[in-house]
Amino acid sequence: QVQLVQSGAEVKKPGSSVKVSCKASGGTFSRYTISWVRQAPGQGLEWMGRIIPILDITYCAQKFQGRVTITADNSTSAAYMELSSLRSEDTAVYYCAIRTDWGQGTLVTVSS
Amino acid sequence: DIQMTQSPSTLSASVGDRVTITCRASQDINNLLAWYQQKPGKAPNLLIYKASNLESGVPSRFSGSGSGTEFTLTISSLQPDDFATYYCQQYNTYSSFGQGTKLEIK
Repeated sequence: QVQLVQSGAEVKKPGSSVKVSCKASGGTFSRYTISWVRQAPGQGLEWMGRIIPILDITYCAQKFQGRVTITADNSTSAAYMELSSLRSEDTAVYYCAIRTDWGQGTLVTVSS
Repeated sequence: DIQMTQSPSTLSASVGDRVTITCRASQDINNLLAWYQQKPGKAPNLLIYKASNLESGVPSRFSGSGSGTEFTLTISSLQPDDFATYYCQQYNTYSSFGQGTKLEIK
């Protein structure tokens, strides 16, 4: 079982960017596929993208292409999701996940 | 993107009932479908993968079936702990979730 610990809550202005981290422990990080999923308040789950660190390959949902950057650092067993050009609709809890194991979620609030 | 459509959006049932939730994909997803349970304020919990495989530790009252574009999650006898929101997810082409089914106490 992998433990995933995410960075803390963020408050951002519209038009700015946010970078959420996800640090893994208890497994072989580079072999995993790390997914990013978000959930707006009272809404459903939305898949954003994923990365396979050992192959350095990323996939991104069409909706977020051009706005999201997903990276990983094998040396620190951490993955990152950066979302740019933030708008109020991006207010959500952002999760990282490795199959059955999920981070605790990071609340990103976009407000002027 | 592949669209996933769940029905119903809300389901009212009683303890002991048998319930079924349906998920329809906009194209064939090669049975690469998962079902999740989510409770308020918590991360989702994987129940079923590859359409019909029960994840380790998940009670056997949960089962999944289907193929191609149509899939179902069945709970054979509802328990109090099962009242939650359920999501299907395809992972054949990138990934996408259904809009969720909220299972409420009748």
